[in-house]
Amino acid sequence: TQLLEQSPQFLSIQEGENLTVYCNSSSVFSSLQWYRQEPGEGPVLLVTVVTGGEVKKLKRLTFQFGDARKDSSLHITAAQPGDTGLYLCAGPLMSGGYQKVTFGTGTKLQVIP
Amino acid sequence: NAGVTQTPKFQVLKTGQSMTLQCAQDMNHNSMYWYRQDPGMGLRLIYYSASEGTTDKGEVPNGYNVSRLNKREFSLRLESAAPSQTSVYFCACKLGAFDSPLHFGNGTRLTVT
Repeated sequence: TQLLEQSPQFLSIQEGENLTVYCNSSSVFSSLQWYRQEPGEGPVLLVTVVTGGEVKKLKRLTFQFGDARKDSSLHITAAQPGDTGLYLCAGPLMSGGYQKVTFGTGTKLQVIP
Repeated sequence: NAGVTQTPKFQVLKTGQSMTLQCAQDMNHNSMYWYRQDPGMGLRLIYYSASEGTTDKGEVPNGYNVSRLNKREFSLRLESAAPSQTSVYFCACKLGAFDSPLHFGNGTRLTVT
């Protein structure tokens, strides 16, 4: 059972279009992280959202944390080919007294020039 | 440059063979993790180590063992490889703070025939 569900799984769009990726859970998270992964590399952190309702901007990327801290979204404005990659949301959990980080299944984005 | 180094980058094994995946970090982080990444299933936690001398099972530990040799190094061993273990393996490290991000290596692509 996946704690974090991402949608859509795949997205292929033309350069200049806007898009939104969603990350949903039935569980409450203290924070959620978004990572981007390019082929042949490990995921790299884009942002951490920690407050319900928080909005963070990173150039053309806007991240939002839901008021109830169960969901998050990533909106890209005027997508560029350099935005192509796998986008992953992740959330920290306490389990057995230790910290773990659980990941969503990812959204594979392709931006066509 | 500070970071997480994984070796080897690629490996092909026959069913039943054994091997050890190596991971070393020079970020002075206490926590280290092993994940596997499979298409459509995201990143799944195999084992983690909260600090030197401690290890614990993640979501998919069967068929694997780990050793936290010291603060820098965390290895993953496959004693008898199976085709189901064909995957890309990522090592990561993390500071102790609950919301701190994971820092990943570039992965080991393992094929078991």
